[in-house]
Amino acid sequence: TQLLEQSPQFLSIQEGENLTVYCNSSSVFSSLQWYRQEPGEGPVLLVTVVTGGEVKKLKRLTFQFGDARKDSSLHITAAQPGDTGLYLCAGVGHNNAGNMLTFGGGTRLMVKP
Amino acid sequence: SAVISQKPSRDICQRGTSLTIQCQVDSQVTMMFWYRQQPGQSLTLIATANQGSEATYESGFVIDKFPISRPNLTFSTLTVSNMSPEDSSIYLCSVAPRLGNTQYFGPGTRLTVL
Repeated sequence: TQLLEQSPQFLSIQEGENLTVYCNSSSVFSSLQWYRQEPGEGPVLLVTVVTGGEVKKLKRLTFQFGDARKDSSLHITAAQPGDTGLYLCAGVGHNNAGNMLTFGGGTRLMVKP
Repeated sequence: SAVISQKPSRDICQRGTSLTIQCQVDSQVTMMFWYRQQPGQSLTLIATANQGSEATYESGFVIDKFPISRPNLTFSTLTVSNMSPEDSSIYLCSVAPRLGNTQYFGPGTRLTVL
């Protein structure tokens, strides 16, 4: 079973601060995805990282995939109240039925104005 | 991308009853999945809904408790049978248009069992 550990579980910060969320595993994934989920909605895909060492930027969000493809991080610069939500990392693997996602435990972020 | 709807969006049910949740996609997709998200927690895959054959269940989930149908490439149902308060969760449908493709999630069904 592939497991993903995500940290921290909860984060409450002031607007303008920076933060980093970590996603770690002992398993290698073919790729890793980051989602954001708001209350009453399903998770929305932010980014997919595929290559070891890859760095992707989405405005104030920077995503990095570890060289060994076992870990990833999400860094948010100058957080805003609109960044509030549940952030989920998900490793992409395969089962007999095809592609499958293994989710980390999630990081609940609150950005206070 | 794909547009996914789920019905009902929420329900409150009595212990011992069953609820069927519907998932409808606006286009034909290869893969459909059902997840459970317990309060304050992350997502756990229940099963992969296979068109024209029995669903593939993950460890800890069985067909008798969570029967799944997938009659075509745009629709699936998940039934939560003989419910108990421990089944109170958000149930999410997701789809992947093609094998190995990105998954898109529905808005979820929030179930409360009294």
